[in-house]
Amino acid sequence: KAGVTQTPRYLIKTRGQQVTLSCSPISGHRSVSWYQQTPGQGLQFLFEYFSETQRNKGNFPGRFSGRQFSNSRSEMNVSTLELGDSALYLCASSSTGQSNEQFFGPGTRLTVL
Amino acid sequence: GNSVTQMEGPVTLSEEAFLTINCTYTATGYPSLFWYVQYPGEGLQLLLKATKADDKGSNKGFEATYRKETTSFHLEKGSVQVSDSAVYFCALFKTGANNLFFGTGTRLTVIP
Repeated sequence: KAGVTQTPRYLIKTRGQQVTLSCSPISGHRSVSWYQQTPGQGLQFLFEYFSETQRNKGNFPGRFSGRQFSNSRSEMNVSTLELGDSALYLCASSSTGQSNEQFFGPGTRLTVL
Repeated sequence: GNSVTQMEGPVTLSEEAFLTINCTYTATGYPSLFWYVQYPGEGLQLLLKATKADDKGSNKGFEATYRKETTSFHLEKGSVQVSDSAVYFCALFKTGANNLFFGTGTRLTVIP
């Protein structure tokens, strides 16, 4: 089975721009979660989608949003980028919403200049 | 609330040394506990897990035991290798919250 894939792997943007990141979960997995990793804050949960519905959301401003499609692929969007949004964004998938085993993709490294 | 406290790093060991990375957690009920490993430039890989008290997770020579009485899940390996150099994260999963809560990570460097 192919693993979790994330595109693009690297992105450079400037302040004020917006960005969309994509995640394709493992085939058959219906839950997709997003995490932000920074040196200062560590790994923080952004949101989780299951069957196209956002079921859980972390403590991030409304500039961070996401969605999930019928094929379980997910996108996250960050609008009005700030320097502090520079981070590694990780996507994880699991088979069901209650499954506690999450499989991570390689991440998208976002740099905001 | 749910949280994980992990031993601060970095940790530097010689090859074949014994490794312990401490992890304690705070959570109500019975969370599942995990150790993830992150190699440079990569995402997180699940190293091992335990889903109930007294369970021992093990993989690639690493072990951790779910101790409810001390709310701990310490990672151990008897003989580390240079290839074990990475950042290790302890995490808990609480059903209902449906997300992982991570510790701050411990960077391990193994020197030949």
